[in-house]
Formats: sequence, structure tokens, C-alpha cells
Amino acid sequence: DQQVKQNSPSLSVQEGRISILNCDYTNSMFDYFLWYKKYPAEGPTFLISISSIKDKNEDGRFTVFLNKSAKHLSLHIVPSQPGDSAVYFCAARPYSGGGADGLTFGKGTHLIIQP
Amino acid sequence: DAGVIQSPRHEVTEMGQEVTLRCKPISGHDYLFWYRQTMMRGLELLIYFNNNVPIDDSGMPEDRFSAKMPNASFSTLKIQPSEPRDSAVYFCASSPDRVMGYTFGSGTRLTVV
Repeated sequence: DQQVKQNSPSLSVQEGRISILNCDYTNSMFDYFLWYKKYPAEGPTFLISISSIKDKNEDGRFTVFLNKSAKHLSLHIVPSQPGDSAVYFCAARPYSGGGADGLTFGKGTHLIIQP
Repeated sequence: DAGVIQSPRHEVTEMGQEVTLRCKPISGHDYLFWYRQTMMRGLELLIYFNNNVPIDDSGMPEDRFSAKMPNASFSTLKIQPSEPRDSAVYFCASSPDRVMGYTFGSGTRLTVV
């Protein structure tokens, strides 16, 4: 049973346009959400995070939106650049008062930026 | 800072052999995590340590898998005996606390033939 779902295995976007990557979760105990980026033959690298007390967090070209009622979050990249081509993982962590400390990851979305 | 260092980068072994994967976390990071990545299941948490103590090993698939952290700067993940279905990329990650994002190593690609 997947608790974090990324339903789009791949996404192709033109350079300069907005990339929107989506993520859904089922566990209502999750209260902290992160996005990681992964290039081939490298480990995932932390990109941006958001706590459940917020609905938006912005860092340069990257913005994460959280809709708790829908158990949905999205990552917006604008404008998209060729170097953004990578696999993006959504991850979640349960409520700090209990549960494991480990992150639960989605299966990833391969973003391809077309020139 | 050299980041999280994993060795070897690639390992090819025969079924039934023992395999040991190694990880050196970032100095000062109190949390260490072992993950496995496969096409079917994505990134799965196997086990994590806090201050060298195993906290949650519920993700370890079978008794063939074991992990140790004898000190703050070294951890091993051992598979004995290995099986073809263990073929995957194994990542180690460390974190200074439970709030910050992890720093991952480059992974060990294990192939069991």
C-alpha cells in the first residue's frame, strides 16, 4: 500500500515554461513534506520542504503548495531550465509526536525539459 | 565536507555469497538511514539509526539482512546469503536531526547473479 503516490512516471515540458509535479498522500499522520531531485548515478538531493502548518513555500524558481484537505502537494518550477531534467521524488514524514523518523518516498516523476 | 560516502559503488556477486555495503555519514549527523531503490517499489526505508542505535528496522525484508553502526562514522548493511531479488541500488543517508532533509550518498548498485 503506497502512502505517497506520484501518478505521473514522466513529464515533458518546454524550456522556459512552468513544470508542475504532483504528489498525493494517504496517511493523515504526515505533517512534513519534502521534494528531492535525482540525477542518474547520484543520490537524491534535497530541494525544498513544507510543514503542514503552511500551504506554500517558495525558494527561487521552486514553489511547493500543500492542500491538506485534499492530501495533495505540488512542486512548481518556473521558468523550467534544461538542468532541471531529473527524477523528482516527493517524500513525507509523520507527525513529530510519534511514528518513525524515516521518510516515505513516492516512486518519482522523470521531468524532461525540452529545448 | 565530503558528504555521505558509500562503498563500493558497484558490486556484482553470485547468489549465496555474503555482501557488505559500507557508509560513512557526514560528521555530526546523528541520524543514519539505509534505503533500497528498485523499479517496482521505489525508495524503501530499510533501517535507521539515531546516535548509533537502531531505532526502526521494520523495513528490513528478511533475516538475511542485517545492519550495524559500531560508531558515529561508520555503518554497514550486510546480506547473507544474497539472492537475485536483492539486486537494487542501496542508498545511505544522514541527517543532523529529524527536521532537516537528508543528505544521500551516491549509492551502491548491487547485482546478484
